[in-house]
Amino acid sequence: ETGVTQTPRHLVMGMTNKKSLKCEQHLGHNAMYWYKQSAKKPLELMFVYSLEERVENNSVPSRFSPECPNSSHLFLHLHTLQPEDSALYLCASSQDTQGVGNTEAFFGQGTRLTVV
Amino acid sequence: AQKVTQAQTEISVVEKEDVTLDCVYETRDTTYYLFWYKQPPSGELVFLIRRNSFDEQNEISGRYSWNFQKSTSSFNFTITASQVVDSAVYFCALSEATNNDMRFGAGTRLTVKP
Repeated sequence: ETGVTQTPRHLVMGMTNKKSLKCEQHLGHNAMYWYKQSAKKPLELMFVYSLEERVENNSVPSRFSPECPNSSHLFLHLHTLQPEDSALYLCASSQDTQGVGNTEAFFGQGTRLTVV
Repeated sequence: AQKVTQAQTEISVVEKEDVTLDCVYETRDTTYYLFWYKQPPSGELVFLIRRNSFDEQNEISGRYSWNFQKSTSSFNFTITASQVVDSAVYFCALSEATNNDMRFGAGTRLTVKP
């Protein structure tokens, strides 16, 4: 059983919809991340939260809006997405606040998002 | 910026064969970390190994072994006596000590046939 849980596992949404992806980690970690995995590109880091503060935003379009209410929960709010946003969205957590590379990250199973 | 190249897009082997997955990286930092992750069909990335740039010792864990060579900027992964359960996509990743980004390679899809 994974220590990082993502819901929903699958999501189909129209371009005018608003939806949210949820991530919960049960590992006591203090950093959480959103990654995007699409068929055409390698895994891309989208957002980094350390101690509930956003520390990294890799030029992600504003139609993706993250929220980290506490160290165990991370959300990705979606609105007016495009078909090219269809991808697997992976959440991860780690213990080290110094950077994602200083210790291993634990990943959830992802949300498979399809934008129609 | 750091870069990871996994030149092998797909590899197919028959059970019990040995297989090596290649990973070549680029970085300007002297302190960095290298990783291998396994992504089974269920989707989650499973951590396999983390190696820092100052430790070039090769590592063996059961049927898995890793060969880190700074001279060629490579961090290759070998599975000995492969099994069907090893079928997955394997990602090599690099993180520099100076930033928060873990840069992944494109992945190698390994299929082990019975």
